Amino acid sequence: GNSVTQMEGPVTLSEEAFLTINCTYTATGYPSLFWYVQYPGEGLQLLLKATKADDKGSNKGFEATYRKETTSFHLEKGSVQVSDSAVYFCALRENSNFGNEKLTFGTGTRLTIIP
Amino acid sequence: DAMVIQNPRYQVTQFGKPVTLSCSQTLNHNVMYWYQQKSSQAPKLLFHYYDKDFNNEADTPDNFQSRRPNTSFCFLDIRSPGLGDAAMYLCATSRDLASSYNEQFFGPGTRLTVL
Repeated sequence: GNSVTQMEGPVTLSEEAFLTINCTYTATGYPSLFWYVQYPGEGLQLLLKATKADDKGSNKGFEATYRKETTSFHLEKGSVQVSDSAVYFCALRENSNFGNEKLTFGTGTRLTIIP
Repeated sequence: DAMVIQNPRYQVTQFGKPVTLSCSQTLNHNVMYWYQQKSSQAPKLLFHYYDKDFNNEADTPDNFQSRRPNTSFCFLDIRSPGLGDAAMYLCATSRDLASSYNEQFFGPGTRLTVL
């Protein structure tokens, strides 16, 4: 079956530090990969996505590259801000012709940025 | 703005007392999902509706039911809540099931406490 493994948190960084949150996956097919962000008290928001190998998703200064050879989709940001404090979820979705494509989430990584 | 709305944001119920959580959407999406997210865990899909077709996940307990009276509304019914059902319940929508480019839009969640 499909699975997503994220680095365990919590992660605490100082403002303007470089961020990496590791994500690796196991899938039987060729999934699309996602990063979702959950701010305190809110639902999940799609942060970025990549649908095939070597694609790079980017949004709000965050980037992640779909690496098929290492089955990874690590999230990076060059200079974090206090407003980036949230829980980050890596997820995958199988691509098929059958529909009913479910999201499989990792357990989430809590990020706290201190001024 | 088009969005996914969940009411109430916080719900307290008693052990064994039926409770209903509500989700509405203004996106006119075909698919509506219910997820359960326990503390520090990944969201877990309970079931989804594609239009009026109900699809239950294999490991969703019978205690959890759902209704979708029209396109805009979907309800989660917990017939006899146990202490282990305390969690955040997330509603999400997507335009369709298939497609590599489909995105799920999440509501803010309802946090359920069982006393």
